[in-house]
Amino acid sequence: AQRVTQPEKLLSVFKGAPVELKCNYSYSGSPELFWYVQYSRQRLQLLLRHISRESIKGFTADLNKGETSFHLKKPFAQEEDSAMYYCALTPQGGSEKLVFGKGTKLTVNP
Amino acid sequence: DTGVSQDPRHKITKRGQNVTFRCDPISEHNRLYWYRQTLGQGPEFLTYFQNEAQLEKSRLLSDRFSAERPKGSFSTLEIQRTEQGDSAMYLCASSPQQGMAWEQFFGPGTRLTVL
Repeated sequence: AQRVTQPEKLLSVFKGAPVELKCNYSYSGSPELFWYVQYSRQRLQLLLRHISRESIKGFTADLNKGETSFHLKKPFAQEEDSAMYYCALTPQGGSEKLVFGKGTKLTVNP
Repeated sequence: DTGVSQDPRHKITKRGQNVTFRCDPISEHNRLYWYRQTLGQGPEFLTYFQNEAQLEKSRLLSDRFSAERPKGSFSTLEIQRTEQGDSAMYLCASSPQQGMAWEQFFGPGTRLTVL
């Protein structure tokens, strides 16, 4: 069965501190992994995907197949990073359903 | 606005009534998805279309739910004989078949409240 686990429902950090949002997955094949973000009063949007190996808004995420993890990291959090973050996977090949975790609400305090 | 649009944005109905939601995807996006999100949960997949063909349905989609995409453009999601457990945010997303096929673009959602 495909499953995404985000162990932290809430995460609070101070501005300028490092932040790491955890994501673990279970899937028998080689899924594509994503982070989606939802800012207050905005729609859900893609933040980054593992295949592109890029940094978006200072965030990076490394796929660790051995630990089946895809943690999201940022070295210096900003107040505008406060949002709901969802880790998601889709079976290899893409363009099919997304399986989401329950999400982590990140609050960056001034 | 050229993004995914959904109508209505809010719907309040009484238990037992039927409701229908509409989703207009980004123009020329071949794939269209429906998700449901309840409080404290991430979105859960319901069904998806490639053009007018419904290619996958979740087991969450009971017989009371039906989705269509008759001309491969907009889609409708109908819930018959609504129950209180149907109260949720219903999200629609679309993606192109080529290129950035792995990015799904989400609409603002339709919030359903069943009294």
